[in-house]
Amino acid sequence: DTEVTQTPKHLVMGMTNKKSLKCEQHMGHRAMYWYKQKAKKPPELMFVYSYEKLSINESVPSRFSPECPNSSLLNLHLHALQPEDSALYLCASMTPGATGELFFGEGSRLTVL
Amino acid sequence: GQNIDQPTEMTATEGAIVQINCTYQTSGFNGLFWYQQHAGEAPTFLSYNVLDGLEEKGRFSSFLSRSKGYSYLLLKELQMKDSASYLCAVLGGDKLIFGTGTRLQVFP
Repeated sequence: DTEVTQTPKHLVMGMTNKKSLKCEQHMGHRAMYWYKQKAKKPPELMFVYSYEKLSINESVPSRFSPECPNSSLLNLHLHALQPEDSALYLCASMTPGATGELFFGEGSRLTVL
Repeated sequence: GQNIDQPTEMTATEGAIVQINCTYQTSGFNGLFWYQQHAGEAPTFLSYNVLDGLEEKGRFSSFLSRSKGYSYLLLKELQMKDSASYLCAVLGGDKLIFGTGTRLQVFP
């Protein structure tokens, strides 16, 4: 199994809603990542979890709240988002310090109305 | 700070060879990745370099010079399906930071 699975694939939410994005991998990877990507721009790093602990937060607004319940799961909780938060949210995983591939999920496309 | 630069756009002809350059200045270095991304899709892995030199994988090759903070991706025998964005990314510790990306258009 070399997959990173993200759900939902598409999400539309209002600015007062609370929703969550989910990411799952069963490759035994112990580093998991959230990226945000706007159209025609490269992915921007948001958070990194290493061995289920938050190791990097790239000054992301608190309306985005990550959670790593176990080594296979990564969530991104969304609350009081703004229309400019509409983007493709990508999850990725790899083994920390590994000399190999960072595996990406297919992404969750978020639209904030 | 971190700086990873690539040309914004390139064009090439089917069957030709194209080289996409990437220069970087980062606070740590554990390797450099190249990814391909088609519009609306997730990035897919192309190559990884951690030591100086050339890594070849089919029609794709990637080169790294750590002393110069420089890498390139070489695409040979271009096909129409190679029209995509190509992303250079540097791994420093746990942080994988992407460059600005290069949009490549292949014409018949």
